[in-house]
Amino acid sequence: DTAVSQTPKYLVTQMGNDKSIKCEQNLGHDTMYWYKQDSKKFLKIMFSYNNKELIINETVPNRFSPKSPDKAHLNLHINSLELGDSAVYFCASSHVGGQAEAFFGQGTRLTVV
Amino acid sequence: KNQVEQSPQSLIILEGKNCTLQCNYTVSPFSNLRWYKQDTGRGPVSLTIMTFSENTKSNGRYTATLDADTKQSSLHITASQLSDSASYICVVSDLSGYSTLTFGKGTMLLVSP
Repeated sequence: DTAVSQTPKYLVTQMGNDKSIKCEQNLGHDTMYWYKQDSKKFLKIMFSYNNKELIINETVPNRFSPKSPDKAHLNLHINSLELGDSAVYFCASSHVGGQAEAFFGQGTRLTVV
Repeated sequence: KNQVEQSPQSLIILEGKNCTLQCNYTVSPFSNLRWYKQDTGRGPVSLTIMTFSENTKSNGRYTATLDADTKQSSLHITASQLSDSASYICVVSDLSGYSTLTFGKGTMLLVSP
């Protein structure tokens, strides 16, 4: 019955590799997000999609490319991984609207070595 | 630029004691403010939500206050338990079409026996 699920939970990879993180929500939400939480525990939004359409694209390197095949899925593909990409990546979803609550996945801990 | 500042950065208290966490924001136009609890290795989970017209809201041993004039909020935890050890994140939503969320850096609370 997991509401927002992301895979994998842990990902260790070498610099220069390409990797993907998958996210799925079964809450019927219109909007999905990707957040990055760095070593200082600060959550920063990367992307926001509404009904498969890109809404928010913060200053994220072009190596990061989100893909939303349908409104229940928002995957994150990262090319040419760098050491600084090591962080915990959280997927979230919500309805559209001022009081909508964002529901978060459990996070994917990415370690680039 | 929308910002959310939280204090203290970290806090250690004895089990059974009370504590208060602070949040100041400059998000405009303001829609609502949420306090999230993030356990280690998990995604954030919403504790309370407060809109412009609400001054206080409780959720069990958690009580949040909001002063929309001074743009300050607090989260008071009563009779702390070991399970309260977590990061508490203040999140403010604006009134833009997709309700952009601005996250504080969080307060790391450790409740010791």
